[in-house]
Amino acid sequence: EDQVTQSPEALRLQEGESSSLNCSYTVSGLRGLFWYRQDPGKGPEFLFTLYSAGEEKEKERLKATLTKKESFLHITAPKPEDSATYLCAVQALSQFYFGTGTSLTVIP
Amino acid sequence: GAVVSQHPSRVICKSGTSVKIECRSLDFQATTMFWYRQFPKQSLMLMATSNEGSKATYEQGVEKDKFLINHASLTLSTLTVTSAHPEDSSFYICSAAEHLVAKNIQYFGAGTRLSVL
Repeated sequence: EDQVTQSPEALRLQEGESSSLNCSYTVSGLRGLFWYRQDPGKGPEFLFTLYSAGEEKEKERLKATLTKKESFLHITAPKPEDSATYLCAVQALSQFYFGTGTSLTVIP
Repeated sequence: GAVVSQHPSRVICKSGTSVKIECRSLDFQATTMFWYRQFPKQSLMLMATSNEGSKATYEQGVEKDKFLINHASLTLSTLTVTSAHPEDSSFYICSAAEHLVAKNIQYFGAGTRLSVL
C-alpha cells in the first residue's frame, strides 16, 4: 500500500539549534517528492522537489535530501520565522500522497 | 514563482445556500487542478482532480453532486458547495500543476475558510 509518513509530528527547537525532519515513503513508481511549508490559515508554499535518490536541494537555511526510502529536510540554525508546518508529498504514477506534516516551533 | 489565486479567502453562509470558490493560475497554464479539504491540525485531503475541458475525478467518499467542479479553462477552476450544511464548514484549498515545464509541481492557493451557520 502506498504510504507517506512524516516524523516527528511536532518539533520544538531553540533558535540556532539545527535539526532534521523526516519523510519516509513506500510507493510504486516514484515520480517526485515535494516539500511544502504551511503557515496557519494559509495554503502550502512550495519549497523543493526531488526526483531521484542522491539528489539534494538547498534554499537559505533549508536543505532537502532524498534516498530510495525517505527524504530529510535539514534546518540549519533555525530562526523563529521558520516556525510552520512542513508537509511532504510524493507523486507515484498519477497519484499524489501527502504526509500529515511536522509542526515546527522555533523558540527565540 | 508560479502564482495561484483563490477567492474568496473567507465566506460565511446560511445553511442551504450554495457557495462558489474560484481558483486561478495567474502566470501559467494549469494542465491539472486539484481541490483539497483540510481539517484543523490535519493534512490535506484530496477531494477531486480536474483537467481542463473534462469531468473531474472525485476521490472515494466525496459526493459529486455536493461538490461541483468546473474546469472551464487552463487558468480557472471553480468548486461549488451546493446546499451547504454546517458539516461542510472547513478550509478548502486548490492547487494547480503544469506538466511540461514545472514537472507536476503543485502550486497552492491561499485557501478558503468556509463557515456554514
